[in-house]
Amino acid sequence: AQSVTQLDSHVSVSEGTPVLLRCNYSSSYSPSLFWYVQHPNKGLQLLLKYTSAATLVKGINGFEAEFKKSETSFHLTKPSAHMSDAAEYFCVVSDRWGGSGNTGKLIFGQGTTLQVKP
Amino acid sequence: NAGVTQTPKFQVLKTGQSMTLQCAQDMNHNSMYWYRQDPGMGLRLIYYSASEGTTDKGEVPNGYNVSRLNKREFSLRLESAAPSQTSVYFCASSEALLGAFNEQFFGPGTRLTVL
Repeated sequence: AQSVTQLDSHVSVSEGTPVLLRCNYSSSYSPSLFWYVQHPNKGLQLLLKYTSAATLVKGINGFEAEFKKSETSFHLTKPSAHMSDAAEYFCVVSDRWGGSGNTGKLIFGQGTTLQVKP
Repeated sequence: NAGVTQTPKFQVLKTGQSMTLQCAQDMNHNSMYWYRQDPGMGLRLIYYSASEGTTDKGEVPNGYNVSRLNKREFSLRLESAAPSQTSVYFCASSEALLGAFNEQFFGPGTRLTVL
């Protein structure tokens, strides 16, 4: 069975400092992994995705994530936080090719709220 | 392209009332989904439609029904609303359920309050 754990429910950083949002996953098959961002009272926007090509994935707005199979992690990073990065971030896993009992549906983590202080 | 659109944006119902949430996408996607979002619980899948003409239950289907009207439209119906259905509802679509193009695109959401 698939699952995803976001290790921090809340992260606070100062503007201009690095961002690290941690995510561990569990998947029996070849996973697709995603990071989505949700700004207050908005829908979800795809930041980046991993689908078995390069393990370092670059996304929008300067974010990137590294797929580490040995650690079953997919942490999201950004070198320098901006005030506009304040939002909720969701790590998501999907069984890309299906398998016994799996249908490729997305499994969401519980979210990490990123606060950026001036 | 408008992407994924949802109507209404906000709705207040009384317990026992019914309503339908509408969703449409203009990306020619095959798969569509309905989620609910509750504080501290991420998004939970209510129903999905892998392709036109098919629908399947997700994680939390009780109290809901869906209709895949055509390739573009996927509606969610609450037959007899309950306070436990107070939530934010998101519709999403993807090119396919499986494979390398299964990233989902989300609508802006419907905020539903059941009194």
